[in-house]
Amino acid sequence: AQSVTQPDIHITVSEGASLELRCNYSYGATPYLFWYVQSPGQGLQLLLKYFSGDTLVQGIKGFEAEFKRSQSSFNLRKPSVHWSDAAEYFCAVGARTGNQFYFGTGTSLTVIP
Amino acid sequence: DTAVSQTPKYLVTQMGNDKSIKCEQNLGHDTMYWYKQDSKKFLKIMFSYNNKELIINETVPNRFSPKSPDKAHLNLHINSLELGDSAVYFCASSRNRGDEKLFFGSGTQLSVL
Repeated sequence: AQSVTQPDIHITVSEGASLELRCNYSYGATPYLFWYVQSPGQGLQLLLKYFSGDTLVQGIKGFEAEFKRSQSSFNLRKPSVHWSDAAEYFCAVGARTGNQFYFGTGTSLTVIP
Repeated sequence: DTAVSQTPKYLVTQMGNDKSIKCEQNLGHDTMYWYKQDSKKFLKIMFSYNNKELIINETVPNRFSPKSPDKAHLNLHINSLELGDSAVYFCASSRNRGDEKLFFGSGTQLSVL
């Protein structure tokens, strides 16, 4: 069965510190992986995606994620967090076609000065 | 101009009522979706339409009926509302059914009393 697990419900980091949000997936076919960010009162915005090729993908706002097939993981990272990064982050897995996307339960990020 | 707009933003109603949520996208996309986000932030797909044709219908009570009068609109009608229907409902669109990039609306927070 397809599923996405984000083990950290809530993370607090200091501004300027590095960040890593964990994501593990289970998918029966070749996974296509995504990270979305949801700011308060807003819809979800795509940060980055992985289909194939280089396992380290760059996204918007200085985020990157690394696909590790052996660990079924797709962790999101940022070297230096800004206060505006405080939001909810969702990992998702899906097929390139068929419009089936499975989301994790999200990780809430708090950034302290 | 808002790319994906949904109305109303907030909806408070009593059990047993019938209500509708409207969604419109001005991106010229072929595919539209409804997602439900529960209190634990879990985002789950409900329906997907491609050019007014239903292509995804997850396990959703038949009290929920989507309607797509044209490819720019996907409305969600809910009959006999129940307490468990309280959630945030997100509309989304993508260029076509093979496009993984979803554009989300800002959500409709439904509270059933």
